[in-house]
Amino acid sequence: EDQVTQSPEALRLQEGESSSLNCSYTVSGLRGLFWYRQDPGKGPEFLFTLYSAGEEKEKERLKATLTKKESFLHITAPKPEDSATYLCAVRRGAQKLVFGQGTRLTINP
Amino acid sequence: DTAVSQTPKYLVTQMGNDKSIKCEQNLGHDTMYWYKQDSKKFLKIMFSYNNKELIINETVPNRFSPKSPDKAHLNLHINSLELGDSAVYFCASSQRGQETGSPLHFGNGTRLTVT
Repeated sequence: EDQVTQSPEALRLQEGESSSLNCSYTVSGLRGLFWYRQDPGKGPEFLFTLYSAGEEKEKERLKATLTKKESFLHITAPKPEDSATYLCAVRRGAQKLVFGQGTRLTINP
Repeated sequence: DTAVSQTPKYLVTQMGNDKSIKCEQNLGHDTMYWYKQDSKKFLKIMFSYNNKELIINETVPNRFSPKSPDKAHLNLHINSLELGDSAVYFCASSQRGQETGSPLHFGNGTRLTVT
């Protein structure tokens, strides 16, 4: 069965303290890995799609990378407004997206 | 200029009641979805419609019935509500189906509480 596991479940950082979130997956024939950001009381907001190992995407302080078994979301010099839950999802073939449970990121000023 | 809007935002009801959640998107997308987010934050797809046609129907109790009057609207009707139905329900849309990798645009959710 396809599985997506995100770690850590929660991460608390000081403003400016860089770190990485992990998304490991077990799915054959990956056809896309997605990162979303979810703020409390809101729906997930699309960040990135990655398709093949070695691919990287960047947006402001965020950079997503992909290997054959996992993806990392690197956050550089985060600010309090980066606090949110970050969700990872994978797609195999023509099937639905499978989401992980998310990492709740808190950036303290 | 809301892209995907769903109503109501909160829904508190008693077991056994029937309720509906409405969703509308103004993005011109062809495909719409209903997702359920449980207390552990896992998002799971329930249904997907493409141009008013049902294309994904997950293992969901038949008390849940989606209806798409046109490609901009996808409503969710739930009969005989149970305690386990308590969750946040998200509507989403995409330019094409999930098989193409088109990103999903989500509404802000409806928090359903069944007492």
